[in-house]
Amino acid sequence: AQSVTQLDSHVSVSEGTPVLLRCNYSSSYSPSLFWYVQHPNKGLQLLLKYTSAATLVKGINGFEAEFKKSETSFHLTKPSAHMSDAAEYFCVVSSNAGGTSYGKLTFGQGTILTVHP
Amino acid sequence: NAGVTQTPKFQVLKTGQSMTLQCAQDMNHEYMSWYRQDPGMGLRLIHYSVGAGITDQGEVPNGYNVSRSTTEDFPLRLLSAAPSQTSVYFCASSLGALGGNTIYFGEGSWLTVV
Repeated sequence: AQSVTQLDSHVSVSEGTPVLLRCNYSSSYSPSLFWYVQHPNKGLQLLLKYTSAATLVKGINGFEAEFKKSETSFHLTKPSAHMSDAAEYFCVVSSNAGGTSYGKLTFGQGTILTVHP
Repeated sequence: NAGVTQTPKFQVLKTGQSMTLQCAQDMNHEYMSWYRQDPGMGLRLIHYSVGAGITDQGEVPNGYNVSRSTTEDFPLRLLSAAPSQTSVYFCASSLGALGGNTIYFGEGSWLTVV
């Protein structure tokens, strides 16, 4: 079984300040982890993914995330927020093995990021 | 490349009507899936397919039907629409089912059942 918990439903920051979106996961098998962004009335765009290579993953638009197995976390960060970062962000886990989670993505509930001028 | 294409983008149905959401991908991906997105619940898996002729249920399959006759197409059928099926639906595809494969999403289909 696998699950994802995004610890904050809403995060509000000022433009130019750091962004931290928190994600904890559980998985019976070695997981792959993703962060997706969704702008209003749009589809989902991949920001970055972790697939058991380097634990610090760099993505698009200055975002990065660190896989911490001991903490079962995959938090998303950005040093300096931009107005265009305002969107909803989803942490996603996928199994790297078989079992009941085969072929299934599990999404977190989403975190809405608001960026103030 | 068109990627993943969903149609229609918007649809209003009356309770009891049936309809099909179309999904096509041009990346020769084996794995395709349908999700529904509801406020505060993230995306939930409805049905998925690991290849032509193979489908399986996801987390919330009731009221939906799928088939996969070709690699490219994966339509989602609502058999008898209910207001509880008002949602945003996303089709997705990837090269394979296991983790690590990048998943590509369509733009979404906004469905309202009245």
